Amino acid sequence: DADVTQTPRNRITKTGKRIMLECSQTKGHDRMYWYRQDPGLGLRLIYYSFDVKDINKGEISDGYSVSRQAQAKFSLSLESAIPNQTALYFCATSDTGTEFTDTQYFGPGTRLTVL
Amino acid sequence: GEDVEQSLFLSVREGDSSVINCTYTDSSSTYLYWYKQEPGAGLQLLTYIFSNMDMKQDQRLTVLLNKKDKHLSLRIADTQTGDSAIYFCAESRRGSYIPTFGRGTSLIVHP
Repeated sequence: DADVTQTPRNRITKTGKRIMLECSQTKGHDRMYWYRQDPGLGLRLIYYSFDVKDINKGEISDGYSVSRQAQAKFSLSLESAIPNQTALYFCATSDTGTEFTDTQYFGPGTRLTVL
Repeated sequence: GEDVEQSLFLSVREGDSSVINCTYTDSSSTYLYWYKQEPGAGLQLLTYIFSNMDMKQDQRLTVLLNKKDKHLSLRIADTQTGDSAIYFCAESRRGSYIPTFGRGTSLIVHP
């Protein structure tokens, strides 16, 4: 079974709709992250959370919100989707318990298309 | 300029060696990573190197680090079609918990 799962894997929606992307992990990691990937732009950090009560904005948080429902769950919402939010979205986790505290473990991604 | 820079594309012939280069700006970087993203999948850690090392070898992979020039490279020996992917360089400082990724290099391996 995958350690970091994302649902849905693909989603097509219309401008103005509210969308939620969900991430679950069975790795027992405290830290969770949301990134978006655009061709030629690499990964950009949207939000991150170091524990259930901690939420931090990344470099491109405008138009997005997150909820950390539990240690294992971190969801990303687009309150009113717009076409330039069409991208590949990744959830990732990292571990506080090892020397490699920055190593990221990624989910398989959600491809979102906003028409 | 960007914190971590990579060229966007590299094309090699099957069986040749591939060298993917990366430059970074943060002299306090503690860890440097290479991640691999296969088509339709998320990123997976490929290898890493501590900033106090010059070289690390792992089977077909060789990582070279030049701290003076802040230059990192990944060499893949005997490149195979299964090596076709996007390779991301990333750097981080101890305790930062937020690595900085490059834009990724698309490696295309042709027969």
